[in-house]
Amino acid sequence: NAGVTQTPKFQVLKTGQSMTLQCAQDMNHNSMYWYRQDPGMGLRLIYYSASEGTTDKGEVPNGYNVSRLNKREFSLRLESAAPSQTSVYFCASIRTERNTEAFFGQGTRLTVV
Amino acid sequence: DAKTTQPPSMDCAEGRAANLPCNHSTISGNEYVYWYRQIHSQGPQYIIHGLKNNETNEMASLIITEDRKSSTLILPHATLRDTAVYYCIVRVLPYNSGNTPLVFGKGTRLSVIA
Repeated sequence: NAGVTQTPKFQVLKTGQSMTLQCAQDMNHNSMYWYRQDPGMGLRLIYYSASEGTTDKGEVPNGYNVSRLNKREFSLRLESAAPSQTSVYFCASIRTERNTEAFFGQGTRLTVV
Repeated sequence: DAKTTQPPSMDCAEGRAANLPCNHSTISGNEYVYWYRQIHSQGPQYIIHGLKNNETNEMASLIITEDRKSSTLILPHATLRDTAVYYCIVRVLPYNSGNTPLVFGKGTRLSVIA
């Protein structure tokens, strides 16, 4: 199994540009999450989707939008990138019916100049 | 807000047991204790979880105090590859109970020294 796959792995944007970070999981998990991690810091939750068709804000949602396209895919969009959004972005998924752990992607390293 | 308190950093000699503490004095009866670790800049990796009984798996042991207000993650024979940031998280289960997400604190940076 591929687990959780994030694309792209690296991206450089100019201030004001837009882009979408893609995340897909092949484990039939219900819940999916987007986090950001700034240098030397812990993970902060941006948005999450408890199930297909639902999304909720996390700790730091400003400047981002999300789409739960289907059960497999959860995308994160930056409409107008800012230097403050330079970070590493992680996607995660969890199967909610039973007691189980979260699986994380390998991250997208985004630099906004 | 993170519901746990961890020391910011710890050192451990290679081959010795690494004991990582976590305080969660406000834990509720239906909240589990989870441990994850993040090696370098990779995505976090699940280690172990428990409710009130001690737990052991191939990676680590989890010791939870009787009052459940604190716990200790034990890596019995630490290796250089165990150098990572370790996160202690408390969370209600099942996950879709109130749609409570997984919230990380700042964790403990464990350095295993040769």
